Amino acid sequence: AQTVTQSQPEMSVQEAETVTLSCTYDTSENNYYLFWYKQPPSRQMILVIRQEAYKQQNATENRFSVNFQKAAKSFSLKISDSQLGDTAMYFCALGGSGGSNYKLTFGKGTLLTVNP
Amino acid sequence: DADVTQTPRNRITKTGKRIMLECSQTKGHDRMYWYRQDPGLGLRLIYYSFDVKDINKGEISDGYSVSRQAQAKFSLSLESAIPNQTALYFCATSAPGETQYFGPGTRLLVL
Repeated sequence: AQTVTQSQPEMSVQEAETVTLSCTYDTSENNYYLFWYKQPPSRQMILVIRQEAYKQQNATENRFSVNFQKAAKSFSLKISDSQLGDTAMYFCALGGSGGSNYKLTFGKGTLLTVNP
Repeated sequence: DADVTQTPRNRITKTGKRIMLECSQTKGHDRMYWYRQDPGLGLRLIYYSFDVKDINKGEISDGYSVSRQAQAKFSLSLESAIPNQTALYFCATSAPGETQYFGPGTRLLVL
């Protein structure tokens, strides 16, 4: 079974500073995908970043980057130069491959508040 | 226009009523999904469909049914709503093995 754990229910950061959200996971598959989704107060689920497990290079999208440690099964999200609009719930998700490539397993989320 | 739309956006209903939540997509994806989100629990998969003739149960399908009317349309029904089905419901779509894209969600309250 796949599991995703986000150990930080809530975090806060000052505007313009950097924050890191933690995620650990467990899977028996060798090839899989990892995602961070953002859910602002509008409740829309928005893809932030995606990482393929077979790629050693960490994914980056503008101010968002990940630290993917495959052996440790860790997938943290770093937000640089935090903005007020980054205030949201952030979900880490694990996607399977092959026969289970339909399935996304979500963590319980981390509520991030960016303070002015 | 949004790629994935859901109707209604909000719904209040009474215990025992039958309701349908609808999802449409213009992304041309074959795969569609229904999830529910409860506070503190993340998203959980209710049903998924690989194409019009291929529908599968997810981890929490009891009390729900679905219909895939066309490639672009996937509906979720609650045959007899109960209060613990109060939740935020999301539809999502994807190409095989690719990122899932979510609709705006439907907030359902069962009294």
